[in-house]
Amino acid sequence: ETGVTQTPRHLVMGMTNKKSLKCEQHLGHNAMYWYKQSAKKPLELMFVYNFKEQTENNSVPSRFSPECPNSSHLFLHLHTLQPEDSALYLCASSQDRGRAPLHFGNGTRLTVT
Amino acid sequence: EDKVVQSPLSLVVHEGDTVTLNCSYEVTNFRSLLWYKQEKKAPTFLFMLTSSGIEKKSGRLSSILDKKELFSILNITATQTGDSAIYLCAVEAGGGADGLTFGKGTHLIIQP
Repeated sequence: ETGVTQTPRHLVMGMTNKKSLKCEQHLGHNAMYWYKQSAKKPLELMFVYNFKEQTENNSVPSRFSPECPNSSHLFLHLHTLQPEDSALYLCASSQDRGRAPLHFGNGTRLTVT
Repeated sequence: EDKVVQSPLSLVVHEGDTVTLNCSYEVTNFRSLLWYKQEKKAPTFLFMLTSSGIEKKSGRLSSILDKKELFSILNITATQTGDSAIYLCAVEAGGGADGLTFGKGTHLIIQP
């Protein structure tokens, strides 16, 4: 158990589906992050939240929609995805924004068919 | 744009060997460099380096940073099959930047 829990572990969805990824951190951290990990590419930062406020949107397409209702929970809402969006989506948290290290969850393996 | 380059991208060695993984970086307003180990899913934190020339050590793993030449190495001695993983290097920038910039990782395979 990493202190950062993500569900589901695996998700297969069609391009017209709507689904959500969930992340919960039990570390008392104030900042939470979404990263995308594709094969043979570096982890890509998608979104950053600090005290529930979004501080960064790294040019992510609007078919990805984050939500942070409180400092412990983070969601990523997905709709009308493309096959190239298939990847491992990792959630992370840190004590505060811009304060490494980040602590990662196990990720959600997403396949878009 | 911040950049992290790791080498080699993959490495196969035998159990008991010593390995050295490399990470070079270009970053505006450098704050720290971090190493992570990723076995199946979650990258797990290994080291955070902020000062040049000071070795960080944890068991058979050690790491050092050279801020003048902009690189870091991760050493693993007496490797074991459990060391097989992807090792990720990341840099943290100051000045209000968020998150970490990662390299592609080194895929290390330890053969029995």
